[in-house]
Amino acid sequence: SSELTQDPAVSVALGQTVRITCQGDSLRSYYASWYQQKPGQAPVLVIYGKNNRPSGIPDRFSGSSSGNTASLTITGAQAEDEADYYCNSRDSSGNWVFGGGTKLTVL
Amino acid sequence: QVTLRESGPALVKPTQTLTLTCTFSGFSLSTSGMCVSWIRQPPGKALEWLALIDWDDDKYYSTSLKTRLTISKDTSKNQVVLTMTNMDPVDTATYYCARAHYGDYVGQFDYWGQGTLVTVSS
Repeated sequence: SSELTQDPAVSVALGQTVRITCQGDSLRSYYASWYQQKPGQAPVLVIYGKNNRPSGIPDRFSGSSSGNTASLTITGAQAEDEADYYCNSRDSSGNWVFGGGTKLTVL
Repeated sequence: QVTLRESGPALVKPTQTLTLTCTFSGFSLSTSGMCVSWIRQPPGKALEWLALIDWDDDKYYSTSLKTRLTISKDTSKNQVVLTMTNMDPVDTATYYCARAHYGDYVGQFDYWGQGTLVTVSS
């Protein structure tokens, strides 16, 4: 089955830009979706498709993809962006897979 | 307004079968393109996709768990049910249901329930 690999932890200074990456073979054919999860809360969709944000998600969140790597970029990180971030994609057999998650710390 | 709510036992014994129900509102699972999925998260660990059922009653399962999982829907009740057999302590997790959409090259879970914690212990 497919696997998606994420860095376990990333940090960013307040107001700076941070990129969180996700690698996997399925990303060559399928776009990733990205989820933000704060402690004790359900995940929230922040990016899907080529670079789409659901209603209510700030425009400092953006997504991109190249080859087998998808990226979530936060431009001008805020304190409230500190959370775990998970990527997800489908694969050709109809399975869906999540990455291991990246813990983002805003310094 | 789309909402989803998980319900089921908080505690199950090893070897028992877990049955979870997702009751949703604000959309119909008979509408083309609509899907509902189950996802779990062990304490302190990552999300794990379990199963998905779509508007056409197509069902997809995690490769590693498919022998233990069954997903079904009752469109008239706006419910999706997941059963997982032969429960083990490693299955202790918060179980989420989520609305999903997918297309040729995309897929996403756009609304999630709050999750229900299931503990497996004798």
